[in-house]
Amino acid sequence: GNSVTQMEGPVTLSEEAFLTINCTYTATGYPSLFWYVQYPGEGLQLLLKATKADDKGSNKGFEATYRKETTSFHLEKGSVQVSDSAVYFCALSTLRIQGAQKLVFGQGTRLTINP
Amino acid sequence: EADIYQTPRYLVIGTGKKITLECSQTMGHDKMYWYQQDPGMELHLIHYSYGVNSTEKGDLSSESTVSRIRTEHFPLTLESARPSHTSQYLCASSDFAYGYTFGSGTRLTVV
Repeated sequence: GNSVTQMEGPVTLSEEAFLTINCTYTATGYPSLFWYVQYPGEGLQLLLKATKADDKGSNKGFEATYRKETTSFHLEKGSVQVSDSAVYFCALSTLRIQGAQKLVFGQGTRLTINP
Repeated sequence: EADIYQTPRYLVIGTGKKITLECSQTMGHDKMYWYQQDPGMELHLIHYSYGVNSTEKGDLSSESTVSRIRTEHFPLTLESARPSHTSQYLCASSDFAYGYTFGSGTRLTVV
């Protein structure tokens, strides 16, 4: 079946450090891939997405490239800030089944940035 | 600015009570979803809907029920709350661009 595996957390970094959160997936067909971010006490917000192989999604300094050959979608940021502290979820969207697009989430990675 | 609204944000209720968690969206999306998020952060799909009068159970079995009488409204009901129902509940909707929009969630505590 479809699944997403994320780098286990928690991850703790100093401000201005380089960030990588690994994400690999297993899927049939050609899924779309997403990164969502959840700030404390909030719901999930879409951070970036890629809908086909070799696409790069980017937003707020974060980037991720859809790598079909390695089935990966790693999240990167060159210089993190304290405000980036949150939980990050990698997800894939299965092909529409009877009209409903179901997201499959990874287990989430908690990121803490220290000043 | 949220286009999908969940109320209440926080709810503490006694065992055996009936509760309804509200979810409304103003984007006209046909597809709506309920996720349960456990303390370990993992998200589990418990219900989804293709449109009005359509509801399906998700991947995680849940004692809750849902209804979809109007496009914009997708409430979740627990007939008799138990401590095992304590969790965060997230509502979402989506469009054909594969984008999901989430509400801020309802944190439910059953005592």
